[in-house]
Amino acid sequence: DTGVSQNPRHKITKRGQNVTFRCDPISEHNRLYWYRQTLGQGPEFLTYFQNEAQLEKSRLLSDRFSAERPKGSFSTLEIQRTEQGDSAMYLCASSLTWTSGTDTQYFGPGTRLTVL
Amino acid sequence: SQELEQSPQSLIVQEGKNLTINCTSSKTLYGLYWYKQKYGEGLIFLMMLQKGGEEKSHEKITAKLDEKKQQSSLHITASQPSHAGIYLCGADMDSNYQLIWGAGTKLIIKP
Repeated sequence: DTGVSQNPRHKITKRGQNVTFRCDPISEHNRLYWYRQTLGQGPEFLTYFQNEAQLEKSRLLSDRFSAERPKGSFSTLEIQRTEQGDSAMYLCASSLTWTSGTDTQYFGPGTRLTVL
Repeated sequence: SQELEQSPQSLIVQEGKNLTINCTSSKTLYGLYWYKQKYGEGLIFLMMLQKGGEEKSHEKITAKLDEKKQQSSLHITASQPSHAGIYLCGADMDSNYQLIWGAGTKLIIKP
């Protein structure tokens, strides 16, 4: 299966610790998205990359959140000094988009973060 | 998101019955995407609609986008237990591919 993969699937951490999540997109996809989802809500957009360029990061929840996609392939999302309010599902999606006007995103299984 | 409203929030349907889920926008949509999510898992792409009046079907699921491109419906015919899950609509409102999402409709199928 060559879908979007995310690691780890689950992460439990103590408040104040740093965590890093990894996303491997579908290989030929040029766009990569990060979302956060809390219970009973739809995904909340955080940031996205086109190849290695981070085109939108103003929606990152605070300066404790950062994302990278150094070679235009996999991406990492880091949360520093975690807080209990960071507990959520973090979703990654990828797409192959040029200028066709459509952008079907394919999602990974998510990383569930629990901050104690 | 208040920009994209889904209804109902939850739905319990007897197996074999038909059902409809709605997604309404306050703005004209450039694209409307339907996804399904099992609890605690990622989203599975179902269908994308782009043109006013467009209708797409896959197996027993039909999605429509109205002429004004502000409302979409997802219709399931002869529901089965495999249809259970959370259905989410995502909308491209600014043609910049950043999707706004509804809160989801939780579908339970009673055997």
